[in-house]
This record gives sequence, C-alpha cells and structure tokens, in this order.
Amino acid sequence: DVKVTQSSRYLVKRTGEKVFLECVQDMDHENMFWYRQDPGLGLRLIYFSYDVKMKEKGDIPEGYSVSREKKERFSLILESASTNQTSMYLCATEKGQGVEKLFFGSGTQLSVL
Amino acid sequence: RKEVEQDPGPFNVPEGATVAFNCTYSNSASQSFFWYRQDCRKEPKLLMSVYSSGNEDGRFTAQLNRASQYISLLIRDSKLSDSATYLCVVNGPAYKLIFGSGTRLLVRP
Repeated sequence: DVKVTQSSRYLVKRTGEKVFLECVQDMDHENMFWYRQDPGLGLRLIYFSYDVKMKEKGDIPEGYSVSREKKERFSLILESASTNQTSMYLCATEKGQGVEKLFFGSGTQLSVL
Repeated sequence: RKEVEQDPGPFNVPEGATVAFNCTYSNSASQSFFWYRQDCRKEPKLLMSVYSSGNEDGRFTAQLNRASQYISLLIRDSKLSDSATYLCVVNGPAYKLIFGSGTRLLVRP
C-alpha cells in the first residue's frame, strides 16, 4: 500500500514566520499535490508537480511556494505565514499515467496566530 | 457557480435506510468522476470511480448523467460505519481534479 507521510499532524506558528510542510511518499509515484481544506470550500489545489524540480501552480498559489528536489519528497513553503493560511493541508500522490486514484497523507492542521 | 457542487447536508438517516447524494459539475468536457470518503479528522480515500455505464460495489452504486451533468451515489442498507463526508471529484483542465465541498452523512442507530 502507498504510504504518504506528512511531517507534522498539528503545527502552530506566528504571523510572519516561514513555515515548511514536508511530504514524503514511498511508492515512486510521479505526481504530487498540495491541497488545503477549509470548511465549506472543499479541497483547493495549491501547487502540484509532475516530476523532480518541476512545479505547476494550482488554483490558489499566492503566498505559497514548493520544492521537489527528489522524487519522493514534495515540500510546501509559506514564505511569511498569515492568519488566513490557517487551514488543514493535505499532500497527495498519483501514479502518473493519467487521471487516477489519489493517495493522501493524514494532513497537517496549521494554525497561524 | 462552483465547478463542482454538492448539498452539504447533513443527511441524518437510520440504520438500514437507503440514501442518495447528487453532485453537479459545470465542465461538460470532464471525463473522469470519482466519489471519495472522508472520515472526521482523516484524509480522503477513494470510494469508487464513476463510469459512464454506472457501477456498483456492494451496497454502493454510482451513476453518471452526462446530459444533466451530475453524478450520484446511492447507499443501500446504511451502516453506522457509513457515517462520513462524501466528496464528489471531477477532472478539470490539465487533468487536475476538482473536489466538491462534500456531503455529510450521519447514520443513527
């Protein structure tokens, strides 16, 4: 079974801090995604990556950046955290042969104070 | 208009009941459709894909209506363990997946 590991389950940061959210997968999947989930808004795509060192903006990339230096690791970076970035962040992977099943990590609940 | 719309619920049903959810989508070019299940404070997990001809998996039946641009999920003989949020997912441009905000189901004893 695919394992997608997110580094933290809960995180509390202060406004203006730089925040790193890490995601590691163990199944050699090509595609990796970062979503945020907010009540009433569903999952919204922040960034995704189809290959190492490759990244594409999703629907809400403002205030975020990403890094994919190795195939198994996809990092989400909040350059200067703001209170409106308080959310549940979910990493997902996909094998990469088209539109297929997404495998999600267990999520990071980020609170920015 | 949202790209994928769902009734947020909650749908509160007794054990053994049959319950159905609909989901509408706006992009007529969408080709792939899914239902995901999300338990409270957990990550979403794929429940089933939705095929043009409809498909069934045990107590769960999914249907696609392209003409009216909606998909449905029918759950028969509801169990307490079916209580969860059901997310409708549709592929968008560039093979991105677009998630609905979910329909919450509560099954009571």
